[in-house]
Amino acid sequence: DTEVTQTPKHLVMGMTNKKSLKCEQHMGHRAMYWYKQKAKKPPELMFVYSYEKLSINESVPSRFSPECPNSSLLNLHLHALQPEDSALYLCASSGEGGTEAFFGQGTRLTVV
Amino acid sequence: SQQGEEDPQALSIQEGENATMNCSYKTSINNLQWYRQNSGRGLVHLILIRSNEREKHSGRLRVTLDTSKKSSSLLITASRAADTASYFCATGQDTGFQKLVFGTGTRLLVSP
Repeated sequence: DTEVTQTPKHLVMGMTNKKSLKCEQHMGHRAMYWYKQKAKKPPELMFVYSYEKLSINESVPSRFSPECPNSSLLNLHLHALQPEDSALYLCASSGEGGTEAFFGQGTRLTVV
Repeated sequence: SQQGEEDPQALSIQEGENATMNCSYKTSINNLQWYRQNSGRGLVHLILIRSNEREKHSGRLRVTLDTSKKSSSLLITASRAADTASYFCATGQDTGFQKLVFGTGTRLLVSP
């Protein structure tokens, strides 16, 4: 199974809502990532988890809160988002160094 | 942060023609990867070339890497309408997790 599954596929939320994005992989990868992609732009790294520990936070605002409950799951908790946070949020995983990353299909988030 | 530029930004060709996309990057790399993205969904890994390699092939794909010029190119031969997508280069590491830094991307349109 070489799949990274993200739910939901689409999400519309108000600026006062709290929601969570979920990501799951069963490839035994020990590194998992969150990327944000705006329209017609490349993906930008937000967070990296390595062996279930947060390794990189690319100065992401605290209204985005990542969580790695176990080696197969990655969540992104959202609270008090702004309309400019509307984007495609991509989850990815990878094995040990020098290998490809596998991406989920993304969650298209709209903040109203 | 963005690693570098890709050109052209957009490329429109007919089926059967070859498509060449170029990627320039800013810092020293361990490996360079190419990804494809259909209609703003998930990215699919195409090919990885290491810093000590100069050329790599995979099916109709040919990738070159020139570390002295900090540039890479992706050639798709005998293109098909199904190759229509956005193509991104990304620099990666050879150890630990992959902190992929993506280029600006090339939007390829292949007309029947």
